[in-house]
Amino acid sequence: NAGVTQTPKFQVLKTGQSMTLQCAQDMNHEYMSWYRQDPGMGLRLIHYSVGAGITDQGEVPNGYNVSRSTTEDFPLRLLSAAPSQTSVYFCASSYGGLSPLHFGNGTRLTVT
Amino acid sequence: GQQLNQSPQSMFIQEGEDVSMNCTSSSIFNTWLWYKQEPGEGPVLLIALYKAGELTSNGRLTAQFGITRKDSFLNISASIPSDVGIYFCAGLKDNNDMRFGAGTRLTVKP
Repeated sequence: NAGVTQTPKFQVLKTGQSMTLQCAQDMNHEYMSWYRQDPGMGLRLIHYSVGAGITDQGEVPNGYNVSRSTTEDFPLRLLSAAPSQTSVYFCASSYGGLSPLHFGNGTRLTVT
Repeated sequence: GQQLNQSPQSMFIQEGEDVSMNCTSSSIFNTWLWYKQEPGEGPVLLIALYKAGELTSNGRLTAQFGITRKDSFLNISASIPSDVGIYFCAGLKDNNDMRFGAGTRLTVKP
């Protein structure tokens, strides 16, 4: 099984550009989420989804959009990239409730 | 959002030594999780704890869910060089609400 697959692994953007980070899981997980990881800040929740067609904001949602048209995919869109969005982004999924999260290998994004 | 208090922030130990790290919170959690992250990879689940007082082992790793449900610890016995990485604790409440510690960076000297 592939688990949680994120693409791309690395990306460099200029300020103001937009892009979509892709996330797919093949475990039939209902719950999917996006985190950003910054030095000294730990993992912070951006957006999450408890099932297809349902999304909600996490702790740091500003500047990001998500959609969940299928169970498998949960893309994260940066609308107008800013240097403050330079970070490592992780997608994670689970069966929901008290089930552990399974993480992808991350996308390292640099905004210049 | 409130993160968990994880300590120590970093550890430098000799191969063969035992390691202990812990996580505390002012809130009650229903599940405690321990993850390990290696460079360029995502966090990988090591141990999941579901009951207050539960003590669970995974090879040389042992973790406990605190009786108050507000804390957890992870022990690694007889450390080896491949134990190097960042260890994160995470607490889960009922509604998919997961909080993370800031991580413990472990360095093992051969």
